[in-house]
Amino acid sequence: ETGVTQTPRHLVMGMTNKKSLKCEQHLGHNAMYWYKQSAKKPLELMFVYNFKEQTENNSVPSRFSPECPNSSHLFLHLHTLQPEDSALYLCASSQDRDTSQETQYFGPGTRLLVL
Amino acid sequence: AQSVAQPEDQVNVAEGNPLTVKCTYSVSGNPYLFWYVQYPNRGLQFLLKYITGDNLVKGSYGFEAEFNKSQTSFHLKKPSALVSDSALYFCAVRDPISSGSARQLTFGSGTQLTVLP
Repeated sequence: ETGVTQTPRHLVMGMTNKKSLKCEQHLGHNAMYWYKQSAKKPLELMFVYNFKEQTENNSVPSRFSPECPNSSHLFLHLHTLQPEDSALYLCASSQDRDTSQETQYFGPGTRLLVL
Repeated sequence: AQSVAQPEDQVNVAEGNPLTVKCTYSVSGNPYLFWYVQYPNRGLQFLLKYITGDNLVKGSYGFEAEFNKSQTSFHLKKPSALVSDSALYFCAVRDPISSGSARQLTFGSGTQLTVLP
């Protein structure tokens, strides 16, 4: 609906598992973002990529590892997560990170549950 | 540092009545302001934004928002609410003169709007 797709939509994993979240944008944008959304809390920006280069890492634990092979695809690799990492993970894209007026467009999110 | 506050966790309004979802902000310069809506099990959808110019901004689905610099507010409004407007609404701010991580969008904690039939 917004040109940003995310898979899987739901994921249940144990603390010792390794999994990856995938995001793809079909909007021709150059910047992509990972956000974490927890209940009753503001969205937390995790990572920003601009022209495939990581430009922001907001003190995210190393158990989250992003990868951006090209401007259309963004991954979030997960390993040895904790139950408190359970949340909705949202991907977004915008034309260019450095253009302040630019609107970010969001995917539907991946609902993650860590057991 | 920039910040945004949505003082109401929950807003209830009867269908057909006007609705207001409140947002106040704090930035060092002139703000860029955004409203997003999130329906259940969906991502955030862009509604409208204020960059410059007319203080009254019109957006999707009949929503509008008024930028008030003196009150540092950007309240979301709709003249006549629909049951289908029930969703979670987020206000966001960006300070265009900041650098680094401060240039990113800062979101409020969200306001759950329920429109009662």
